[in-house]
Amino acid sequence: DGGITQSPKYLFRKEGQNVTLSCEQNLNHDAMYWYRQDPGQGLRLIYYSQIVNDFQKGDIAEGYSVSREKKESFPLTVTSAQKNPTAFYLCASSMSLGRGTSSYEQYFGPGTRLTVT
Amino acid sequence: QKEVEQNSGPLSVPEGAIASLNCTYSDRGSQSFFWYRQYSGKSPELIMSIYSNGDKEDGRFTAQLNKASQYVSLLIRDSQPSDSATYLCAVWDEKLTFGTGTRLTIIP
Repeated sequence: DGGITQSPKYLFRKEGQNVTLSCEQNLNHDAMYWYRQDPGQGLRLIYYSQIVNDFQKGDIAEGYSVSREKKESFPLTVTSAQKNPTAFYLCASSMSLGRGTSSYEQYFGPGTRLTVT
Repeated sequence: QKEVEQNSGPLSVPEGAIASLNCTYSDRGSQSFFWYRQYSGKSPELIMSIYSNGDKEDGRFTAQLNKASQYVSLLIRDSQPSDSATYLCAVWDEKLTFGTGTRLTIIP
């Protein structure tokens, strides 16, 4: 079964701690993305990566870091510098951008709900 | 700032009727448009993509695109209670920009 997995489903942390969210895909997609979703707001792009060992900041990258050492994996670290980390975090992937219109279709993992107190 | 606007709802539709969801976008250069369905507490699921003006049908779903008016819509025919969800409009232009979603409730 091809798909995107995120773990854990729920995560609780104390303020001041860094936390890493996992995202793995076996769709053979080149591009991967991290979004956060807050109640009443649209999804906001944190970071994205189009190829291994390369990634770009999205609209709200401050307080987050990522790595892309393998095509299948794109972990997100929420650092203590992120002022409001409590949110629903969504990982997505798509085929390599620029290979036709369907390459822009993004597919989401099940999400990780992070609560920081 | 590129914007995607949706009526937040809630939109209530009787079972079996047609649900009509609307979305406008600000960037005239946008080329790719998507509708996602998101059940409460779950992640978004891609249900329709549309790239050219006109209608695109897939089962009970029809997406409509009018680039001149910067308007994209989603029609759901024969609405079922299982269609009750939040529907997110997304527009691609260098990145995917999402609307805040329309909450749809199908009344049995």
